Amino acid sequence: EAGVVQSPRYKIIEKKQPVAFWCNPISGHNTLYWYLQNLGQGPELLIRYENEEAVDDSQLPKDRFSAERLKGVDSTLKIQPAELGDSAVYLCASSLAGHEQFFGPGTRLTVL
Amino acid sequence: GENVEQHPSTLSVQEGDSAVIKCTYSDSASNYFPWYKQELGKGPQLIIDIRSNVGEKKDQRIAVTLNKTAKHFSLHITETQPEDSAVYFCAASLGGGADGLTFGKGTHLIIQP
Repeated sequence: EAGVVQSPRYKIIEKKQPVAFWCNPISGHNTLYWYLQNLGQGPELLIRYENEEAVDDSQLPKDRFSAERLKGVDSTLKIQPAELGDSAVYLCASSLAGHEQFFGPGTRLTVL
Repeated sequence: GENVEQHPSTLSVQEGDSAVIKCTYSDSASNYFPWYKQELGKGPQLIIDIRSNVGEKKDQRIAVTLNKTAKHFSLHITETQPEDSAVYFCAASLGGGADGLTFGKGTHLIIQP
């Protein structure tokens, strides 16, 4: 069975440019999470979806970050405009009804 | 909100010895405590988890203990092997795992040959 798929794996952009990350969760997993991981730190939750509904977006900086999960499967996380401090790894995870979370490989973003 | 502290930040042990990583949490309502292993360039991988109705859980060379009164939990790895070298994260969650996880800052485990 395929794991969580994320793309791109790496992205380099200049500040003030927009960027988007894509996540395909494990088939059948209704809950999807986006986490931010800074270098040398643990992941931090940005947003959690139950099916297509964002049930916890309290940590998402809504002035520049947005996310969507149309049809309750794939999800996209967008940053517009990107800032230098957004350089980090963006991780997507999925789970089935409160069971363990499975993480994708992440997208490493570098903002110049 | 929940706060998870993890110690030590770096742990070096001889191959074959045991390694212990400790975490404390702040929210007594947390009821799910997973441990993840992260290798360079990869996402975190779940290695073991424990729920608040259990005090200890073991899976081959890996064990986790939970003390709800003291709000701390620990990861124990016995007979360490070179492939155990990685960064380990503890985490805590409300809602039995459905909620988002609050992670510690990680422990870089180094297995010396």
